[in-house]
Amino acid sequence: GAGVSQSPRYKVAKRGQDVALRCDPISGHVSLFWYQQALGQGPEFLTYFQNEAQLDKSGLPSDRFFAERPEGSVSTLKIQRTQQEDSAVYLCASSPIGTASSYEQYFGPGTRLTVT
Amino acid sequence: EDKVVQSPLSLVVHEGDTVTLNCSYEVTNFRSLLWYKQEKKAPTFLFMLTSSGIEKKSGRLSSILDKKELSSILNITATQTGDSAIYLCALPTGTASKLTFGTGTRLQVTL
Repeated sequence: GAGVSQSPRYKVAKRGQDVALRCDPISGHVSLFWYQQALGQGPEFLTYFQNEAQLDKSGLPSDRFFAERPEGSVSTLKIQRTQQEDSAVYLCASSPIGTASSYEQYFGPGTRLTVT
Repeated sequence: EDKVVQSPLSLVVHEGDTVTLNCSYEVTNFRSLLWYKQEKKAPTFLFMLTSSGIEKKSGRLSSILDKKELSSILNITATQTGDSAIYLCALPTGTASKLTFGTGTRLQVTL
């Protein structure tokens, strides 16, 4: 079956531009996570959705970052007024069940964002 | 604060060698430990270890969880060039079971 897909795969933005990154999770998956992976580092948690509810946004680095999942499937991560430090790979992951469960997360290929 | 530490940070071996990658952790509420392989972009799932399943094996890869030592190892025997990748260790933390990752071990297998 289809895995997690993300678009675009690569995005170059000039400093100050707004960007929108899309994630299509595996169909029927309840949980959706966004992670940020800087070069040479492991992924770091940004935010979590259970269906359409954003239950945890503690990892969002600033109020320039905003995520939504209005119908409980596709999610969009928006970054306003991009800065050079936002350059990273943004990974989306989904999981079939909800919180307090120990289950593997399935990752998409990521979007590599470069801010010039 | 939840913490995951992996060692070594990088490793170069010859094809056919056996390697052992290490992961140690400090988490408030242990649920499981996961290993992922990351070749280009998407981390791909390898193993999940829990209190009731402390050892897993798949082909040349195997992993063991030591809850007493708060650590896990990932073994790869008879390495191949296709094993070259970053190996990530992660644990679900917090109420959302978000994954807390280590920095990863970059493995390069040469001919």
